[in-house]
Amino acid sequence: EAQVTQNPRYLITVTGKKLTVTCSQNMNHEYMSWYRQDPGLGLRQIYYSMNVEVTDKGDVPEGYKVSRKEKRNFPLILESPSPNQTSLYFCASSLTAGSSYEQYFGPGTRLTVT
Amino acid sequence: AQSVTQLDSQVPVFEEAPVELRCNYSSSVSVYLFWYVQYPNQGLQLLLKYLSGSTLVESINGFEAEFNKSQTSFHLRKPSVHISDTAEYFCAVSGGTNFGNEKLTFGTGTRLTIIP
Repeated sequence: EAQVTQNPRYLITVTGKKLTVTCSQNMNHEYMSWYRQDPGLGLRQIYYSMNVEVTDKGDVPEGYKVSRKEKRNFPLILESPSPNQTSLYFCASSLTAGSSYEQYFGPGTRLTVT
Repeated sequence: AQSVTQLDSQVPVFEEAPVELRCNYSSSVSVYLFWYVQYPNQGLQLLLKYLSGSTLVESINGFEAEFNKSQTSFHLRKPSVHISDTAEYFCAVSGGTNFGNEKLTFGTGTRLTIIP
């Protein structure tokens, strides 16, 4: 089944404790992206990757890191999480970077930073 | 820069009644327009999209949206809703090309609640 998977689905952590949210897709997609969803703000792009070893900042990159060492994986790293990073996070992928292509979303990771 | 406005944050509708979810966008260039749906505790799924051609686009589950360039709108409609349509609906816009990171800009979402 074609899908985007994220782990963990739920995470509660404390300020400053490094964490990684994994994202994997099995569709051989070139383009991958991370979004955060906050009430009243919709989805905002954090980082994106147009292919292996090619990543760049989205609209709200502060406090996050990413890497793309393999085509299928695109982990999101919070080196020192803070309470304002409490949010619902989605990973998405599409065939390529063109905007006409459908983006496939993972099920989401709900992160709480205390 | 692009932006999307979904004026209605919540829309309650009786089952089998019609519904319209409003979406207006602003952009200085040509655009692609999308509606995504998020069912409870799930990720977003593409519902329908407008790229070019006919301004009326339809989904497989009875929703339709009409691109109106003069009013910069892309409202979503369904003539008769079902309980299973309960979800949050996001309108999104992207630049009308296939170059580079033509990222999606999302609206703030409309929560559709179907009343039995």
